[in-house]
Amino acid sequence: GQQVMQIPQYQHVQEGEDFTTYCNSSTTLSNIQWYKQRPGGHPVFLIQLVKSGEVKKQKRLTFQFGEAKKNSSLHITATQTTDVGTYFCAGLGTDSWGKLQFGAGTQVVVTP
Amino acid sequence: GEEVAQTPKHLVRGEGQKAKLYCAPIKGHSYVFWYQQVLKNEFKFLISFQNENVFDETGMPKERFSAKCLPNSPCSLEIQATKLEDSAVYFCASSQVVDTQYFGPGTRLTVL
Repeated sequence: GQQVMQIPQYQHVQEGEDFTTYCNSSTTLSNIQWYKQRPGGHPVFLIQLVKSGEVKKQKRLTFQFGEAKKNSSLHITATQTTDVGTYFCAGLGTDSWGKLQFGAGTQVVVTP
Repeated sequence: GEEVAQTPKHLVRGEGQKAKLYCAPIKGHSYVFWYQQVLKNEFKFLISFQNENVFDETGMPKERFSAKCLPNSPCSLEIQATKLEDSAVYFCASSQVVDTQYFGPGTRLTVL
């Protein structure tokens, strides 16, 4: 079955630094979605990528979808303390009818 | 409503007792999804509905878990004879079409 791997599991960042989290699917995806979950909170939708090679930006966040639609990345520049949380990618398979396959998440800790 | 609502926020049950969780999707959203998030952050898909019809139930442990979405009522997820390993946060998500999913605040189930 479809599996989505996400690395790193933890990311300790100094405020102002950049970091990237990566997702890789074992199968081709229909689309990939990114969510942010704060401690004790629920996943909050950030963005959806659909097209092969797509790049989308949201302020300091840059999202990419690979050409083969099997991998994706989230890059955050100039990290702020408000970026603390766990970032999840979630892939939608081509035949999974809405069933999101979540990566394990990257837990981000920011030190001032 | 404009947000997915879930009740109760917390639920404590003794092993073997029944647990029932409720979800009200965003108004106008046809699809409802249930996910289980265990302590290691892993999300497990349980079941999805298109209106009141089961869309995908491949993630449901059918022996003890059941779910419904009836017209004019909140959706429900019921666990008969809870086990210790059922302790988790149960998230409901809704979507208008089969893509972007919006998550509710979750119900934290603790089985003692």
